Formats: sequence, C-alpha cells, structure tokens
Amino acid sequence: DADVTQTPRNRITKTGKRIMLECSQTKGHDRMYWYRQDPGLGLRLIYYSFDVKDINKGEISDGYSVSRQAQAKFSLSLESAIPNQTALYFCATSDSSGGQYRQETQYFGPGTRLLVL
Amino acid sequence: GNSVTQMEGPVTLSEEAFLTINCTYTATGYPSLFWYVQYPGEGLQLLLKATKADDKGSNKGFEATYRKETTSFHLEKGSVQVSDSAVYFCALSDRSTGFQKLVFGTGTRLLVSP
Repeated sequence: DADVTQTPRNRITKTGKRIMLECSQTKGHDRMYWYRQDPGLGLRLIYYSFDVKDINKGEISDGYSVSRQAQAKFSLSLESAIPNQTALYFCATSDSSGGQYRQETQYFGPGTRLLVL
Repeated sequence: GNSVTQMEGPVTLSEEAFLTINCTYTATGYPSLFWYVQYPGEGLQLLLKATKADDKGSNKGFEATYRKETTSFHLEKGSVQVSDSAVYFCALSDRSTGFQKLVFGTGTRLLVSP
C-alpha cells in the first residue's frame, strides 16, 4: 500500500465550483505540504502544515484553503475554481523528529490532475 | 530570493550513453541540494542529496557533487538505461527557514531509447 495517497487522481470541474483534494498518509509524519506543478514552472508550494494546529501559507496560496483534520490527513480546497488552477497537485509529508536543522526528506503522493473548464 | 536553474529538455540519449543534467542555484545561507525523479504517472521520489559543499550524493548509479564555488549540482550517470526515462528536478532547501522549504527547478525530461 502507498504511504501517501491522494484522492481523486483525476478531476474535471467547471469554473466557479468548489472542490476538495484529499491527502492521507500512513508514515506517521508530522509535516504535510501541498504543491502544484505546471509545465515549465516546476513545483510551487501552496500551503504547509507543521502539525494539526500549525498551518502556513506558501508562495501561491491565493484562491486555495486547507484543512488538517488529523495528523494523517491534509485537504486542499478550491472555493471557486478558475481555469488557471488547472494543474497537477501533489501532497508531500516529512518527519521533523530529528530536530530543527535535520535535513528531512519529503515523500510525495502520486498527484491529482485537475482540469477546470 | 532562492532559485534553481536547470537545463531545458528533453534530453534524448541512447542506452548506455553518458548523462549530464546541469543545475545551478542562487541562494542565501547554506542550502542543501537535492535531485528528485518523477517517473510517468507517479509522484516525485528523492534520488540523491548533498547537505554541504564538496559532498557527493549518489544513488542507483547517479551522482552529483555540491560545488559551492560554481553554485552547481550537476547530475551524472555513466551509462543510462531505458528505465531511467523520467523527469528530473533539481531542488534546494534553505536550512535557515527551520524546515525543508524546497525550491524546485523547472525539471528536465530524459528520454532513453534502446
């Protein structure tokens, strides 16, 4: 079984609709992240969470919101989807238990491909 | 701000050819450097990393050396296989943020033909 799962894997929606992308992990990691990937732009950080009560904006958070329902679950919402949010979305996790400056490894889910018409 | 620049792809090679994918970075502080690989239809996987100058990261026949003087972290492999076809991302993490805030390059697609 995959350690980091994302649902759905593919989604088509219309402009103005609200949608939620979900991420679950069985790795026991405390930190979770949402990225989007666009052709020619690499991955950009949308939101990140250090634990259930600590959520932070990344570089491109406008138009998105998140919820950390439990240590293992981190959801990304688009309140009113627009076409330029068409992208591949990745969830990632990492473990901070080694200390503040330990170089953690981020583990990525398989991605959700979102098309906004 | 911090940034990573990778060579544009696709890089097209025949099996057993030598591979180099260039990566240079701009950063304040003392970043750690990473190469991630994305196989078709999958998420990113960490391929190798280096946390300080002159460190060499290696994995699965790939290697990269952290060159502070040239701000580079080029990925190399002596003999590529068809199964190495994927997109490769160079990334940095600035330790001064207190967590692994990754900044990615745009990715380089590698296509290996038999």
